[in-house]
Amino acid sequence: GAGVSQSPSNKVTEKGKDVELRCDPISGHTALYWYRQRLGQGLEFLIYFQGNSAPDKSGLPSDRFSAERTGESVSTLTIQRTQQEDSAVYLCASSFKPGDRGGYTFGSGTRLTVV
Amino acid sequence: AQSVTQPDIHITVSEGASLELRCNYSYGATPYLFWYVQSPGQGLQLLLKYFSGDTLVQGIKGFEAEFKRSQSSFNLRKPSVHWSDAAEYFCAVGSQAGTALIFGKGTTLSVSS
Repeated sequence: GAGVSQSPSNKVTEKGKDVELRCDPISGHTALYWYRQRLGQGLEFLIYFQGNSAPDKSGLPSDRFSAERTGESVSTLTIQRTQQEDSAVYLCASSFKPGDRGGYTFGSGTRLTVV
Repeated sequence: AQSVTQPDIHITVSEGASLELRCNYSYGATPYLFWYVQSPGQGLQLLLKYFSGDTLVQGIKGFEAEFKRSQSSFNLRKPSVHWSDAAEYFCAVGSQAGTALIFGKGTTLSVSS
């Protein structure tokens, strides 16, 4: 597609429920990144996929967080047993390749509210 | 450790006045440096980037930034601010190695009339 698409744009969930967030990168972009942005905070790196290589999961805050990506297409970020501190905007970005001088293209994010 | 510091959390500038947003980084390798802007309810948009060569880089919307290796800084500037520039600005650092970009905590810019 023309841009990075994320769905849903907003999600309200009850504490303890699982949620799944989706990211559709730009076609042809091999690298895909997930970031979390808490209110008033910067972007916190979560996970990075590059082609068929093992993902860099070093930013995932707990084992309740996981993500998958099939090839160079859609990625899903799953949060199990959500907690109130998980409330944030989850941003997905893609780039043509790692270290791409073009930088990242970001989606508009999914605003997650845990009540 | 790799990090990006944006010392100013919030800045207010009068419309038409000049602007400088500060960014300092700590990075072991030769850095790639970026500035992104996030308008309310929007995703992040790339303003400009630096990789090598001329240390003064021009971006979109009349913004420019200067890389100063000796000061580990990459400050963003604009000679005359417009009300539409009110947004949050993020500095980020990366490398050719392709590790994920590290972002600063952002600076919120307000523009007064």
